[in-house]
Amino acid sequence: GQNIDQPTEMTATEGAIVQINCTYQTSGFNGLFWYQQHAGEAPTFLSYNVLDGLEEKGRFSSFLSRSKGYSYLLLKELQMKDSASYLCAVRGRRDDKIIFGKGTRLHILP
Amino acid sequence: DSGVTQTPKHLITATGQRVTLRCSPRSGDLSVYWYQQSLDQGLQFLIQYYNGEERAKGNILERFSAQQFPDLHSELNLSSLELGDSALYFCASSEDRDRNTIYFGEGSWLTVV
Repeated sequence: GQNIDQPTEMTATEGAIVQINCTYQTSGFNGLFWYQQHAGEAPTFLSYNVLDGLEEKGRFSSFLSRSKGYSYLLLKELQMKDSASYLCAVRGRRDDKIIFGKGTRLHILP
Repeated sequence: DSGVTQTPKHLITATGQRVTLRCSPRSGDLSVYWYQQSLDQGLQFLIQYYNGEERAKGNILERFSAQQFPDLHSELNLSSLELGDSALYFCASSEDRDRNTIYFGEGSWLTVV
C-alpha cells in the first residue's frame, strides 16, 4: 500500500521562505507531485519529480530523495495569495494510482 | 481553466437517491481519475480509467460505480446516497498512463440532505 505524511498546518510570514516536507512509503514508485489547493477550489499542479534532486520553477522548488522516501516543497518570497493547502501525491509503479496526502494548510501572516 | 469539465457544479439531493456526475477530460487525454474530498479531508482516490478500461481502483464503495465512454468522457454514479456521501467530487485527466501530471476539473459539490 501507500502512505503519505505531511504536516497538518504551518505558518509563515509574508516575504519569507517556507519548506513543506513530505515522506512516503509505497510499493513501487513512479513519481511525486505537489499541488496547491485553495479552499473549495480545484487542486492546481505545481511540480513533478521522478528522479532525485531539485526542480526549480520560479518561486517554487521541489526536492526528491527516493532512497529516503522524502520530498519537500520550498516556497520563496511568500505572498498572501500563497495561503492555501499544499498536497503531496505519489504515483505507484504497479498501477497508475495517484495517492494524495492529507495536505498541509499554510497560513501566511503579514 | 484546466480544460477538464465537470457537471453539475452543485447538486442537492435526498438520502436514498441516485445521482450521476459527468466529466469531460482535456482534449487528447486518455486517462480519467475520480476523487472524493469531504470537509477537511484529503483527496480520496476512487477509480481511474484509461481509454475506456478500468485501470486502478481505490476505496470506492459498492454503491458507487463509474465508466468511461468511447468519446472518453466519464460518469460517476452514486446510489443509495447517505449523508456521509456529501463531498466535493473531482475528476482529473492526463494524457497517458505514465509520468504525466493530472489536471483537475472544478469539481461537483454534492450535498445529501
